[in-house]
Amino acid sequence: GAGVSQTPSNKVTEKGKYVELRCDPISGHTALYWYRQSLGQGPEFLIYFQGTGAADDSGLPNDRFFAVRPEGSVSTLKIQRTERGDSAVYLCASSAWDMLTVGGGQNEQFFGPGTRLTVL
Amino acid sequence: DAKTTQPNSMESNEEEPVHLPCNHSTISGTDYIHWYRQLPSQGPEYVIHGLTSNVNNRMASLAIAEDRKSSTLILHRATLRDAAVYYCILRKTGANNLFFGTGTRLTVIP
Repeated sequence: GAGVSQTPSNKVTEKGKYVELRCDPISGHTALYWYRQSLGQGPEFLIYFQGTGAADDSGLPNDRFFAVRPEGSVSTLKIQRTERGDSAVYLCASSAWDMLTVGGGQNEQFFGPGTRLTVL
Repeated sequence: DAKTTQPNSMESNEEEPVHLPCNHSTISGTDYIHWYRQLPSQGPEYVIHGLTSNVNNRMASLAIAEDRKSSTLILHRATLRDAAVYYCILRKTGANNLFFGTGTRLTVIP
């Protein structure tokens, strides 16, 4: 079956511009996560959705970052007034929801290939 | 989140077993031990996870110390396709996100 897909695969923008990054999770997965990975580092958590709502946005670095998931499937990460420091690979992951365990249990997260964002 | 410590890099010869260590001396009773790996230019992929007992699956084995302060990911026969960064992660029951750290870069030598 289809895995997690992300578009675009690469995005080059200029400082100060607005960008949107899209994530299509695995069908039926109610949990969706966004991470950011800088060169040489492991992925860092940004935000977690359970269904349509952002259950945990504690990883968003500042108010220039915002994400939505209006119908509980596709999600869009939005970055306003981009800065050079926003350059990174943005990863999306999804997982099935474990109804028996708060927080979704220990279900594995399935990652997409990422969007490489370069801010010039 | 409780911290894990892994070597920055390791090498292995092809077709030999690989033991990737992870120290997590501050692990709590509700922390599961997860391993993910990230192949070049790809997103991370799940490898295995466990709580107290050793675990086996088609990809690897996870050996957990009796005091749970360390664990070892075992690849029984390394192939060139196993060259990746391996992340050892502690995930609390109910935790939403994964805290990756910097992982161990495994190089497989033909």
